[in-house]
Amino acid sequence: AQSVAQPEDQVNVAEGNPLTVKCTYSVSGNPYLFWYVQYPNRGLQFLLKYITGDNLVKGSYGFEAEFNKSQTSFHLKKPSALVSDSALYFCAVRDEGSQGNLIFGKGTKLSVKP
Amino acid sequence: ETGVTQTPRHLVMGMTNKKSLKCEQHLGHNAMYWYKQSAKKPLELMFVYSLEERVENNSVPSRFSPECPNSSHLFLHLHTLQPEDSALYLCASSQDLSSFRDDGFFGQGTRLTVV
Repeated sequence: AQSVAQPEDQVNVAEGNPLTVKCTYSVSGNPYLFWYVQYPNRGLQFLLKYITGDNLVKGSYGFEAEFNKSQTSFHLKKPSALVSDSALYFCAVRDEGSQGNLIFGKGTKLSVKP
Repeated sequence: ETGVTQTPRHLVMGMTNKKSLKCEQHLGHNAMYWYKQSAKKPLELMFVYSLEERVENNSVPSRFSPECPNSSHLFLHLHTLQPEDSALYLCASSQDLSSFRDDGFFGQGTRLTVV
């Protein structure tokens, strides 16, 4: 069965420090991986995706994610966190065999303190 | 704004009420989706429409009834809901079901509270 796991309910980081939000996946076919961010009272916003190619993907707002096939992981990273990065982050996978459906993790709340 | 508009933004309804959620997109997309976001649970895909035809129904209770009258509009009709149905309901659209180039556009959601 396809699934996405975000093992941390919350991540706390001091402003200026690097941040990592973890995601692991399990799919039957080729994984197409996504990160979305949800700010308070807003809908989901696309951050970045991995379809094929370089394992390090760069996205919006200075975020990047590293695809690791052997570890089935797609962790979200940023070298220097901002207070404005505080939000809910969702990892998602779209299996090639599905009808374009996205399977989401339960989300990780990122809190960046000044 | 993302191009996908949901109304209302907030809705409080009793368990015997009938209400509808509306989603509208003018992006020229052919596929539309309803998701449910509950606290501390993964996003759940509820319904998928492609070219106005329902292509997936993930074991959603019949008290939720979707309607897609045209490619730009998607409704979710609600009837005799339960308190556990309180959640954020997100609408999304994509160019088509198998377009991996398209990342999906989400609306801001309707925050539903069932009392």
